[in-house]
Amino acid sequence: EVQLVQSGAEVKKPGESLKISCKASGYSFTNYWIGWVRQMPGKGLEWMGIIYPGDSDTRYSPSFQGQVIISADKSINTAYLQWSSLKASDTAMYYCARLRPQDFDYWGQGTLVTVSS
Amino acid sequence: QSVLTQPPSVSGAPGQRVTISCTGSSSNIGAGYNVHWYQQLPGTAPKLLIYNNSNRPSGVPDRFSGSKSDTSASLAITGLQAEDEADYYCQSYDNSLSGSVFGTGTKVTAL
Repeated sequence: EVQLVQSGAEVKKPGESLKISCKASGYSFTNYWIGWVRQMPGKGLEWMGIIYPGDSDTRYSPSFQGQVIISADKSINTAYLQWSSLKASDTAMYYCARLRPQDFDYWGQGTLVTVSS
Repeated sequence: QSVLTQPPSVSGAPGQRVTISCTGSSSNIGAGYNVHWYQQLPGTAPKLLIYNNSNRPSGVPDRFSGSKSDTSASLAITGLQAEDEADYYCQSYDNSLSGSVFGTGTKVTAL
């Protein structure tokens, strides 16, 4: 059974760094792209970027390029999304999802990130 | 800012047919890229509902159907049920952005 299990909710202050994770199981992690999707409170879905764990090839949405870093560790079947300096506007739910290769067929449960002073 | 436009809301009585449009452009749907649809029930992660324009994953009821034409796509719910109340999003690839894009989202309400 394919599963994507994300790390727990985070509460951070502006300027702090953060790395959230997405652990995959039930399929060959290195053979599928993994994507990250942002959903701000009460808003729609936004595609942030994707990574191919097989060779770490990474693509970013222009809106998120330079704002976040997407990475993966294929030895532990885990993808990551990280910030070096959080802003209040980063407050959102973040989802990881498997790309099949055009549609996202499996999704994580989401990680809520709250940035507040 | 999304490049795929959906109506903010649609509603219908239980048992009725409702449709949701997804309007794109020549750099995404009009370029021939497939359209996919997701259902997001309140407080939950999105779930794949339709892939490659009109295909249903295993377990999705056949009252959900999808179509695509020119620069737009549609999702139809035939025989609306109370449990279908959710947000629905279309998704495609955009070659000017070199990545996936989601629609603006549509809230479906069963009256």
